[in-house]
Amino acid sequence: GAGVSQTPSNKVTEKGKYVELRCDPISGHTALYWYRQSLGQGPEFLIYFQGTGAADDSGLPNDRFFAVRPEGSVSTLKIQRTERGDSAVYLCASSPDLRTSGNKRDTQYFGPGTRLTVL
Amino acid sequence: RKEVEQDPGPFNVPEGATVAFNCTYSNSASQSFFWYRQDCRKEPKLLMSVYSSGNEDGRFTAQLNRASQYISLLIRDSKLSDSATYLCVVSQFAALIFGKGTTLSVSS
Repeated sequence: GAGVSQTPSNKVTEKGKYVELRCDPISGHTALYWYRQSLGQGPEFLIYFQGTGAADDSGLPNDRFFAVRPEGSVSTLKIQRTERGDSAVYLCASSPDLRTSGNKRDTQYFGPGTRLTVL
Repeated sequence: RKEVEQDPGPFNVPEGATVAFNCTYSNSASQSFFWYRQDCRKEPKLLMSVYSSGNEDGRFTAQLNRASQYISLLIRDSKLSDSATYLCVVSQFAALIFGKGTTLSVSS
């Protein structure tokens, strides 16, 4: 079946602009996660949703970052007033259920990412 | 101190070699442990979960030592296709916490 998809695959923008990154999770997955991966680093957690609600947004670096998932499926990560330091690959993942200890249905499947470059 | 620490490598080994990666984590409340594989400019993919009893999947063996907060991955009979970055991952709740990754290059 179809995996997690993300659009656009690449986004180049200028400092100060607003960008939106989209994630389509695997159909039926209730949990959705956003991560950011800078060059030479592992992915860094940003936020996750259970259904429509943001269950944990503790990883968002500041108030320029915001994410929504209004219908419990597609999610959009929004970045205002972009800065050069925001340049990274933004990864989305989904899982059938929210993580609980020993729950095999919580495996996170990642999309190909959006490579954001802020000039 | 980083939550998950790994030797970044690179590890350069010939085909057929056995190679071991190690990882330490700082949060003793971590409940779940994984190794993910990431190919160049691709997304991470789950390689295997790691359990205290140890687990094996073909040529791959993972071990967890909760007392030492240490995770390992052993790859036997390395193949060219094993060349990738291996990410050590821990989780207390939903969020995955990744190490920087260890780069493996297998040559013929």
